[in-house]
Formats: sequence, C-alpha cells, structure tokens
Amino acid sequence: QLQLQESGPGLVKPSETLSLTCTVSGGSVDFSDYYWGWIRQPPGKGLEWIGSFYFGGSTYYNPSLKSRASMSGDTSKSRFSLRLTSVTAADTAVYYCARHVSDDLFDPFDSWGQGARVAVSS
Amino acid sequence: DIQMTQSPSSLSASVGDRVTITCRASQDIRNYLAWFQQKPGKAPKSLIYAASSLHSGVPSKFRGSGSGTEFTLTISSLQPEDFATYYCQQYNFYPLTFGGGTKVEIK
Repeated sequence: QLQLQESGPGLVKPSETLSLTCTVSGGSVDFSDYYWGWIRQPPGKGLEWIGSFYFGGSTYYNPSLKSRASMSGDTSKSRFSLRLTSVTAADTAVYYCARHVSDDLFDPFDSWGQGARVAVSS
Repeated sequence: DIQMTQSPSSLSASVGDRVTITCRASQDIRNYLAWFQQKPGKAPKSLIYAASSLHSGVPSKFRGSGSGTEFTLTISSLQPEDFATYYCQQYNFYPLTFGGGTKVEIK
C-alpha cells in the first residue's frame, strides 16, 4: 500500500523559506512513472494546487504563487520536496503531497499524504 | 484559470437519504473531473476520476456523472461515515483547479 508522508518545520517566519519533504513508502515505486504534486489548504478554506513535479524533467507550478515555489526530488531517498520563498501569513496552511496516477500532469491524483500543518508567524 | 463552482456550499441530510452535489466548470473540460471526500482534520480521499470512474476500493454508492461543463456527484443511502466535505477538481487545463467544496452535514 503506497504511503506518502509530509515532513518539515511547523513554523516559519515571514519572508523566510518554507521547506517540506514528502517521503514515499510501501512497495517498489518507479518515480519516473508518475507526476507528484503538492496541494495546500488554508485554515477553514478549500484546496489549492501548488504544482506538480516529474522526476524525468518537467515541473509545473501554479502561476498564482508568482515563481516563489520550486520542487525537486531524490529517488535514492524515495522523496520529493517543496520550497516556497518569501512566505507571508497567507501561506499558512496544511500542505499535502499527492501522486498523479501516471506520468501525465493531466491525470488525476490517487494517493495523498496525511498533511503537514505550517504556520507563518514571527 | 478554469473556475470550478460547486453547489450547494452546504447541505443537511439524514441517514439513508440520497444527495446530489453539482460542480460547474467555466469552460469545457471534457470529462477531466475528479471528486474528493475530506473529513475534518484528515487528508482528502480520491473518490472518482474521469467524471464517473470509481477509484479502487470506493463503494458504488458514490456515482459521478456529467461532461463538458456540468457534473454531479450522487451519494445514495447516506451513512454516518459519509458526512464530510466534497470537492471537485478539473485536470484538463493548467493550472489545476478545485471547487470550493460542499459540506454534507447531519440533519
């Protein structure tokens, strides 16, 4: 059973960089067979797609984040990461990692991590 | 961006009821529509993809339909574990976008 687990600091100061990692476990996964995504949910609000990462190359980001987001991956450690720079209180949210069902960005998500709560505050 | 509009934003129903949630897209998204269930404090759970296909392990009480710009999620015979917030999401266009959610509460 595929499992995704987010990890990272629960508190980030304004103007600093938020860094989260998603570790994938549960069976042998060929990371190049899938796109891997990040989605966030501010307190009491809906879901927002941040972007999706492909180990084979292309990564797509939500333009609403104005180039503050970047993603990377490490197959040797079965994980991929999100960095969000110049954070403000508006970036306070639960951050989820998820897997697309294929190596196509335009395919649905099937598996989700449990979420990592991140607060931006001084 | 494609706007996804869900209605209603909330509804009250009783155990055993059948409920229908609507999701409208601002442009034709063919059948590139997914539905998710989220319970308080938990991660979303993928229910339906391609507008009407159930993910593995999802009970057949969940039924999705529609194409183009109008979609529905029907839940038959509501059970206590079905009370949750439901989201639709389009994956036909970049950026991927979600609806605002529909909260299904116990009457």
